Amino acid sequence: NAGVTQTPKFQVLKTGQSMTLQCAQDMNHEYMSWYRQDPGMGLRLIHYSVGAGITDQGEVPNGYNVSRSTTEDFPLRLLSAAPSQTSVYFCASSYSGQSTTNEKLFFGSGTQLSVL
Amino acid sequence: AQKVTQAQTEISVVEKEDVTLDCVYETRDTTYYLFWYKQPPSGELVFLIRRNSFDEQNEISGRYSWNFQKSTSSFNFTITASQVVDSAVYFCALTENTGNQFYFGTGTSLTVIP
Repeated sequence: NAGVTQTPKFQVLKTGQSMTLQCAQDMNHEYMSWYRQDPGMGLRLIHYSVGAGITDQGEVPNGYNVSRSTTEDFPLRLLSAAPSQTSVYFCASSYSGQSTTNEKLFFGSGTQLSVL
Repeated sequence: AQKVTQAQTEISVVEKEDVTLDCVYETRDTTYYLFWYKQPPSGELVFLIRRNSFDEQNEISGRYSWNFQKSTSSFNFTITASQVVDSAVYFCALTENTGNQFYFGTGTSLTVIP
């Protein structure tokens, strides 16, 4: 039972570098999403997807790109890393379909990213 | 405006004390869903409960209980006879029937002192 798998667990980048955080789920969930967690800010939604080929912006999308070519995978791309993107990133998925979002989220174990 | 407010940033209690974590939400939808998640020091996010807006019955699960009051837009979480293993950050969250986003509160950090 893999659930939601995130890689890598830790990453250090230099300002201006690009990278992709990987997220995969094996539960056939339609809904997938990316959050960042910063001290005192809770979990803030970056991007989400309600199905393959469909993505949308969340609360803090700037500096991040996503795509959803398959149901299983939802990678998050940092185009040009900045120190402000130092954070813990969580991928999450749920059974929710395209018409409504009301099922619980299953979270990955997180990626701790530092941008120097 | 914050859709989910957890005004208590940090709480410390002595083991075996009861503790209530507050959650106040804001929505114009008549159909919505509320959640609580636990984040222990290991960092993973653990689902605790999901409640829809039409079900105002309080729920009890072992030492955990939840009080949902639509009149005050609150969904509070009580831990009875707290234990050290309850030490964690607890998040309240809201989804609305008309959207596709989860709105999380800023979390309450609970420390249970042995």
